[in-house]
Amino acid sequence: RKEVEQDPGPFNVPEGATVAFNCTYSNSASQSFFWYRQDCRKEPKLLMSVYSSGNEDGRFTAQLNRASQYISLLIRDSKLSDSATYLCVTGNTPLVFGKGTRLSVIA
Amino acid sequence: ETGVTQSPTHLIKTRGQQVTLRCSSQSGHNTVSWYQQALGQGPQFIFQYYREEENGRGNFPPRFSGLQFPNYSSELNVNALELDDSALYLCASSPGVGVTYEQYFGPGTRLTVT
Repeated sequence: RKEVEQDPGPFNVPEGATVAFNCTYSNSASQSFFWYRQDCRKEPKLLMSVYSSGNEDGRFTAQLNRASQYISLLIRDSKLSDSATYLCVTGNTPLVFGKGTRLSVIA
Repeated sequence: ETGVTQSPTHLIKTRGQQVTLRCSSQSGHNTVSWYQQALGQGPQFIFQYYREEENGRGNFPPRFSGLQFPNYSSELNVNALELDDSALYLCASSPGVGVTYEQYFGPGTRLTVT
């Protein structure tokens, strides 16, 4: 079993839609959780950290459920510029990445 | 931009050859981690260097080796290249080791092995 598993995708959604990504992790000792964004043929960039209390950054909301070992990312009012691969990540040293879920926002 | 640079940008090698990839960390950062990202996969941890010492290694064979210099820049060396080594190699620097330090990724080196 992969240490971090994500929805396979791809997700194709119209502009303005709400889209949710889910992720599960197997290492119950994991202490840090993140969502990274990766544009085509570019490096991953930190989108947001994920906290047990949940956190929001504009149109993006991340949730963590430690009991279920489950992480989610909600994107509201999708923009064309949100099209990218979203990587669920645990740990810090090292970072453990899921395979990523590709999102295409269509006009 | 993160201030982390990598060279070269692209590289084509033949199976069995050796390759050296380079990474310059962001100013003030003493930790460099290397990741391999195969097509359609997430990045996989290769190893990390902290103040010139290896500080953790992922599930990669010994033909993957590294080095960190006094200025905290780093090299990744791969010997006896195999076709499966074709991937995007990413380095990430951080100001220290531990959960409080964000890792900043460079643009990567795309290696093709033929």
